[in-house]
Amino acid sequence: GQSLEQPSEVTAVEGAIVQINCTYQTSGFYGLSWYQQHDGGAPTFLSYNALDGLEETGRFSSFLSRSDSYGYLLLQELQMKDSASYFCAVTSSGGSYIPTFGRGTSLIVHP
Amino acid sequence: GAVVSQHPSWVICKSGTSVKIECRSLDFQATTMFWYRQFPKKSLMLMATSNEGSKATYEQGVEKDKFLINHASLTLSTLTVTSAHPEDSSFYICSARASSGRAEEQYFGPGTRLTVT
Repeated sequence: GQSLEQPSEVTAVEGAIVQINCTYQTSGFYGLSWYQQHDGGAPTFLSYNALDGLEETGRFSSFLSRSDSYGYLLLQELQMKDSASYFCAVTSSGGSYIPTFGRGTSLIVHP
Repeated sequence: GAVVSQHPSWVICKSGTSVKIECRSLDFQATTMFWYRQFPKKSLMLMATSNEGSKATYEQGVEKDKFLINHASLTLSTLTVTSAHPEDSSFYICSARASSGRAEEQYFGPGTRLTVT
């Protein structure tokens, strides 16, 4: 089976940098994705890592270490609108290439 | 960008009735669509994978006779909750994987909030 672990909640202040970690266990790892979901809304795709290293997209970056089965989402210059839940999802051959989602991390940004 | 719509966005029904939820990919073809269920402050629970023209693949513990899925075309999948009960009240979200897209990238619909009274 597959499993993912991420913190349930993270708090930070506006303008700060926050890192949300995700560790996973799976067979036939293919890639790690990150999604953002605001309350009452649908998840939106943020990023995807298949190879080791850092992928940067504006204020958001995502990192992957395949050897450590670990990744993180880095959010810089935090804004109030970044308050949301962030899910990591792993795609693997063991999971028929269907992303399996973690439990989500609730990010609360304070003024 | 790829857009997925869901209809209705919310529905209230009486216990024992059936409710149909539609999921459409508006500007791309989706050979595969997924149906998720989400409880408040919880993760997305995959219910079933729907492939166009074939029977849906249900996850363990999901009753296929209760949650009927039809994927009649490359742009439409429907989920019918039959004989709904209050415990079926939840947020149902569909997602679609583009035929030409990356396997890991899914586009989610806005979700349907079902309340069974």
